[in-house]
Amino acid sequence: AQSVTQPDIHITVSEGASLELRCNYSYGATPYLFWYVQSPGQGLQLLLKYFSGDTLVQGIKGFEAEFKRSQSSFNLRKPSVHWSDAAEYFCAVGGYGGSQGNLIFGKGTKLSVKP
Amino acid sequence: EAGVVQSPRYKIIEKKQPVAFWCNPISGHNTLYWYLQNLGQGPELLIRYENEEAVDDSQLPKDRFSAERLKGVDSTLKIQPAELGDSAVYLCASSLGQGANGELFFGEGSRLTVL
Repeated sequence: AQSVTQPDIHITVSEGASLELRCNYSYGATPYLFWYVQSPGQGLQLLLKYFSGDTLVQGIKGFEAEFKRSQSSFNLRKPSVHWSDAAEYFCAVGGYGGSQGNLIFGKGTKLSVKP
Repeated sequence: EAGVVQSPRYKIIEKKQPVAFWCNPISGHNTLYWYLQNLGQGPELLIRYENEEAVDDSQLPKDRFSAERLKGVDSTLKIQPAELGDSAVYLCASSLGQGANGELFFGEGSRLTVL
């Protein structure tokens, strides 16, 4: 069965420091992979996605993610974190049931940013 | 352009009472999703509509949950009767086609508290 694991429930980084959020997936075929961000009281916003091709994908707000098939991972990175990046981040895999929009989400990683 | 609109944002009811949530997707988006987000968890798909047809409702608890999208635009999700365990955030999302380009647009959610 498809699944997504985000090992870190909560991460705290200092403003200006680099960030890496981990995501591992289990999926039988080539996965569609996504990272979403959710600010308090807000809906989820798509940061970036991977379907095929270049395994390093760029997203909005300076985020990037790298797909590593051998490790079944799709980690999210940002070189320098801003205070406004504090939010909850969800990794998701899509495509089951024949629809890219049928997403399975991880449990999320909450990011806190220290001044 | 208006995003996905959900109402009410917050609802508090007593157990065994009915409750309904409404969603207006982005204009032109023919695919609509209802996701359930429990506290500390990632969203889980309840039902997906293609126009007015529910094409994936395998995760919808049909004994107490129902949904409709009569004219292929707005949608309503109903719970009757509500149980304590239904306390959660109910997210609506829409997309062009079946998650075309992999982007779902989420509303801000309806937070339900069952007492």
